[in-house]
Amino acid sequence: AQSVTQLDSQVPVFEEAPVELRCNYSSSVSVYLFWYVQYPNQGLQLLLKYLSGSTLVKGINGFEAEFNKSQTSFHLRKPSVHISDTAEYFCAVSHLDSNYQLIWGAGTKLIIKP
Amino acid sequence: EPEVTQTPSHQVTQMGQEVILRCVPISNHLYFYWYRQILGQKVEFLVSFYNNEISEKSEIFDDQFSVERPDGSNFTLKIRSTKLEDSAMYFCASSDSRGALDTQYFGPGTRLTVL
Repeated sequence: AQSVTQLDSQVPVFEEAPVELRCNYSSSVSVYLFWYVQYPNQGLQLLLKYLSGSTLVKGINGFEAEFNKSQTSFHLRKPSVHISDTAEYFCAVSHLDSNYQLIWGAGTKLIIKP
Repeated sequence: EPEVTQTPSHQVTQMGQEVILRCVPISNHLYFYWYRQILGQKVEFLVSFYNNEISEKSEIFDDQFSVERPDGSNFTLKIRSTKLEDSAMYFCASSDSRGALDTQYFGPGTRLTVL
């Protein structure tokens, strides 16, 4: 069965520091990769997605992610975080074999320290 | 910007009661989804709906659950005879196409608490 692993349940970082949120997936077929963000008391919002082409994907709010097929990873990065980035971040995968159902990671809470 | 809305934001019910969670998808979208997230656990797919019928459902979506599009705007999830383990956040989503190119837009969720 396909799965998505987000290795860190929480990541505390200081404001203006860089951050990387890790995501690994297990799949033997071509996948499509997504990062969603959930701000406190809000719904899930698409941050960015990888479908094909350039492995470096840029999203909203200054986030980017890099697809690494050999390492089956899709880590999310931001060079300088802001207090408003405090949220939970979810990595998700879909592919033809799952009828494009989104398979989700457990989420990573990004905690920004002043 | 169009958005998916869900009501209520929080629903408290007694075990064994029926609940209906409501969603208004984005108006020109054709595909609708329900997901749930039990506290501290992963988001889980429940069901997808297209052309007035279920197109996919997970193992979680058993006979206790049903979905309906009663009119041109609402999309509902009914849970019959709720159980304690049904307590979760339920998310509705919609998309205008199916497949890798679609983006699923999510509502803010309904927190269901079964006592």
